[in-house]
Amino acid sequence: DTAVSQTPKYLVTQMGNDKSIKCEQNLGHDTMYWYKQDSKKFLKIMFSYNNKELIINETVPNRFSPKSPDKAHLNLHINSLELGDSAVYFCASSPVGGVYNEQFFGPGTRLTVL
Amino acid sequence: QQQVKQSPQSLIVQKGGISIINCAYENTAFDYFPWYQQFPGKGPALLIAIRPDVSEKKEGRFTISFNKSAKQFSLHIMDSQPGDSATYFCAASTGGSYIPTFGRGTSLIVHP
Repeated sequence: DTAVSQTPKYLVTQMGNDKSIKCEQNLGHDTMYWYKQDSKKFLKIMFSYNNKELIINETVPNRFSPKSPDKAHLNLHINSLELGDSAVYFCASSPVGGVYNEQFFGPGTRLTVL
Repeated sequence: QQQVKQSPQSLIVQKGGISIINCAYENTAFDYFPWYQQFPGKGPALLIAIRPDVSEKKEGRFTISFNKSAKQFSLHIMDSQPGDSATYFCAASTGGSYIPTFGRGTSLIVHP
């Protein structure tokens, strides 16, 4: 009964390649997110989607693009991968409607760019 | 601009000791202060949270202390156990905002 799932768990690729990470949540939440966690464990919000609309987009390179086919899925596409993209990427979801929105995180995808 | 400052960056405690992690914020509009716990290889998970209308919240061995005037809050882990070894993140959010602002994290190691 995984609440937020991500695939793949590990992704090793060459510079310049294009890759995607998939995320699915079965919690019925309205909002989904992508976070990047660097080697120092710092969590940086990248995108947030609410009801299939982008509601916040932090200053990330436009090589990164979120795609939401439906409310339960938020995929992350990365074009022209660079060494600095190596990190752990977390998908998360939260319910909307209250002031206090707990973030439910997926298990993460460790991306290594060679 | 880092809106939530967390310290220390790392913490080593003996089993049975008290672990204390501190956070300070700048935005007075923040009104929800959660702590997340992250084990190696896992995603962060909500541990405990507090609203500014109370000064303390306790759940088992975990306590949040909140000082609104000082704009500071802290996590206390009593009787720390090796199983508590993880990275802890404080966070803060404003009413109506979906996005919490996270601190930089504290790596806690509890020695047996």
